[in-house]
Amino acid sequence: EADIYQTPRYLVIGTGKKITLECSQTMGHDKMYWYQQDPGMELHLIHYSYGVNSTEKGDLSSESTVSRIRTEHFPLTLESARPSHTSQYLCASSEGDRGYGYTFGSGTRLTVV
Amino acid sequence: TQLLEQSPQFLSIQEGENLTVYCNSSSVFSSLQWYRQEPGEGPVLLVTVVTGGEVKKLKRLTFQFGDARKDSSLHITAAQPGDTGLYLCAGGYQKVTFGIGTKLQVIP
Repeated sequence: EADIYQTPRYLVIGTGKKITLECSQTMGHDKMYWYQQDPGMELHLIHYSYGVNSTEKGDLSSESTVSRIRTEHFPLTLESARPSHTSQYLCASSEGDRGYGYTFGSGTRLTVV
Repeated sequence: TQLLEQSPQFLSIQEGENLTVYCNSSSVFSSLQWYRQEPGEGPVLLVTVVTGGEVKKLKRLTFQFGDARKDSSLHITAAQPGDTGLYLCAGGYQKVTFGIGTKLQVIP
């Protein structure tokens, strides 16, 4: 069973809107991540956090921002959505060393029109 | 950046057949993970391999980590339609790298 939850599952919004993608986990993991996935492409890390009040940008440049005020919550915000932001966004968490695998949420499929 | 190449990218087989998919790199990894992802869902962790030469079995799935820890393989015996999905390998310590995946279709 999934212990990491993403909402909404699907979102279609107009250009210029501000949106927040929610991610919550109940496992008490310190480390959380946001990945972007497009068809036929590898997952790209856009943000990560090693604990409360700790956030870093990943390898893929992103206009989004994140916050980590509580251990269980790691929301991602787009201040002004554009069609280029259309993608699948996946949230994940891990316990301890990253080398032992992630638990992923079901993802948010975002379409900006 | 450590790159992971997966092959084949696409594989369509009949139910009951055996198959092997590969994950290769020129870099050494401290560990590699295999995930399966179904359409519209997030990846689900299948296994982590840590020791060079390690073999792990998960029912009909057999995972092997190369002796030099640069490559891994996933072998499925008697594939079933429920095995259909995208198989991803991932590795790395400070920064995890994902391969593009092998898209497997098992036809009943």
